[in-house]
Amino acid sequence: DQQVKQNSPSLSVQEGRISILNCDYTNSMFDYFLWYKKYPAEGPTFLISISSIKDKNEDGRFTVFLNKSAKHLSLHIVPSQPGDSAVYFCAASVYGGATNKLIFGTGTLLAVQP
Amino acid sequence: GAVVSQHPSWVICKSGTSVKIECRSLDFQATTMFWYRQFPKQSLMLMATSNEGSKATYEQGVEKDKFLINHASLTLSTLTVTSAHPEDSSFYICSARRFGQPQHFGDGTRLSIL
Repeated sequence: DQQVKQNSPSLSVQEGRISILNCDYTNSMFDYFLWYKKYPAEGPTFLISISSIKDKNEDGRFTVFLNKSAKHLSLHIVPSQPGDSAVYFCAASVYGGATNKLIFGTGTLLAVQP
Repeated sequence: GAVVSQHPSWVICKSGTSVKIECRSLDFQATTMFWYRQFPKQSLMLMATSNEGSKATYEQGVEKDKFLINHASLTLSTLTVTSAHPEDSSFYICSARRFGQPQHFGDGTRLSIL
């Protein structure tokens, strides 16, 4: 049972344009969401997070939007740069949980073309 | 800040040997450390959660006698794959977090069992 889903395995975007990565979840108990970026043979790097009490969080070129009613979140990167090319994972957790374990999506490979 | 170091980065060994992987939080004290496994082109799957000084909590389907976790201090956790076999070959990643902060990941260990 995949509780966190990223339905697009890959995305190709031109440099300077907006990249939109999508994520859906099924567990209504999730109340904290994160996006990680991962290069091959490296561990994920934390990008940005959002609590369920918000619907938007922005950090520089990265903005995460949360639609709780649709159980959907998205990561917007603008403008996209070639160095953004990587696999992006969304993850969800129950913030108040004792262990705060993360449930990861399957990842989306973003390719930013120069 | 929030640097997590994982060692070794790559291990090749014969079937039947045991392999130890170390995970260290270099500039913070981690209240909790996590161990993940990633198969090619798949998501990160949580194996276990460990808190300093207490037994690890394993996810369903993960053999605790096969994957021994020791969390000796607030900055060090180890994962030992005992009597490793080719099916244990995978990419193992640890993460560490302090309370209220996101998980920060090590760069992973590529384990290949011949």
